[in-house]
Amino acid sequence: GAGVSQTPSNKVTEKGKYVELRCDPISGHTALYWYRQSLGQGPEFLIYFQGTGAADDSGLPNDRFFAVRPEGSVSTLKIQRTERGDSAVYLCASSLTRPGQYNSPLHFGNGTRLTVT
Amino acid sequence: RKEVEQDPGPFNVPEGATVAFNCTYSNSASQSFFWYRQDCRKEPKLLMSVYSSGNEDGRFTAQLNRASQYISLLIRDSKLSDSATYLCVVNNAGNMLTFGGGTRLMVKP
Repeated sequence: GAGVSQTPSNKVTEKGKYVELRCDPISGHTALYWYRQSLGQGPEFLIYFQGTGAADDSGLPNDRFFAVRPEGSVSTLKIQRTERGDSAVYLCASSLTRPGQYNSPLHFGNGTRLTVT
Repeated sequence: RKEVEQDPGPFNVPEGATVAFNCTYSNSASQSFFWYRQDCRKEPKLLMSVYSSGNEDGRFTAQLNRASQYISLLIRDSKLSDSATYLCVVNNAGNMLTFGGGTRLMVKP
């Protein structure tokens, strides 16, 4: 079956611009995560959705970052006034139920590589 | 101190060698533990869960030491295809799965 799909795969934008990154999780998965990964680092948690609501947004670095999941499926990560430091791979993951359960592992998408020039 | 810490490596080992990685975590209330594998420029993929009693999957053995707050991954008879970054992941009784920085393994012919 289809895995987690992220678009675009690559995004180059100028400093100060607005970007949207899209994630289409595995059908039926209620939990959806966004992570950010810089070169040589592990994924860094940004936000977690259970259904339509953001259950934990403690990882969003500042108010330029916002994410939505209006129908409990597709999610969009929005970054305003992009900065060079936002350059990273943005990973989306989904799981069947509440994350951290042994029977509900995270499935990652291929990521969106964001470059802010 | 980071919540989940790993030696970044790289670990350079010959084919057939046995290699072990450790990962320490700071939150004693952590409930579940995992090892993920990440190939270069690819997404992380679940390698194995780590259970309290320890568990094995073919050439891979995972152990959990709650008293010392670390988990380990042992790879026996290393293959060239084992070359990757191994990420330790901890669930801290909340909604967040926290990743370590990863340990890079390079298996040489």
